[in-house]
Amino acid sequence: EVQLVQSGAEVKKPGESLKISCKGSGYSFTSYWIGWVRQMPGRGLEWMAIIYPGDSGTRYSPPFQGQVTISADKSISTAYLQWSSLKDSDTAMYYCARLAYGSGTRPGDYWGQGTKVTVSA
Amino acid sequence: QSALTQPASVSGSPGQSITISCTGTSSDVGAYDYVSWYQQHPGKAPKLIIYDVNDRPSGVSNRFSGSKSGNTASLTISGLQAEDEADYYCSSYTPSTTHVFGGGTNLTVL
Repeated sequence: EVQLVQSGAEVKKPGESLKISCKGSGYSFTSYWIGWVRQMPGRGLEWMAIIYPGDSGTRYSPPFQGQVTISADKSISTAYLQWSSLKDSDTAMYYCARLAYGSGTRPGDYWGQGTKVTVSA
Repeated sequence: QSALTQPASVSGSPGQSITISCTGTSSDVGAYDYVSWYQQHPGKAPKLIIYDVNDRPSGVSNRFSGSKSGNTASLTISGLQAEDEADYYCSSYTPSTTHVFGGGTNLTVL
């Protein structure tokens, strides 16, 4: 069974750093892209960035380029999203999602449960 | 890279059919048959219900169907049920970056 399990909720202050995680299981972690999606309170979904753990290739959506860093450790089947200096506006729910290409293009065929990040002074 | 355009809300009565539109550009929706649709219930993670314009993942009801014409994709839900009340998002492949979502549509089952 494919599963993506995310790290727990975080409460941080502006200017602090943060790294959240998403552990994949039940499939070949290095054979699928994995991405992060932001959902701000009461708002819609936004693709942020994706990574291919097989070769660490990355792509960023323009609004998030330079604002966050996506990475992966294939030895433990875990993807990460990190901030070096959080802002109030980073308060949101963050989902990781697997993207499948090949037998159809299926971005988000599996999703994590979400990590709630709250940034407040 | 702008979000795709969806109506903010649609509604329908049980048993009826509704259609949600998703308008992009000739660089995304119009250029590729890689449009996906997601259902999101409150407090839950999104669920993929349509991919490649009109294909359904295993286990998704055949009451959900998709189509595309030019730069606009559409999701049709037939035989509306109370459990279909949720937010629906479209997404399109974009070659330059990742994928791009629509703004989302809230479906109310009257």
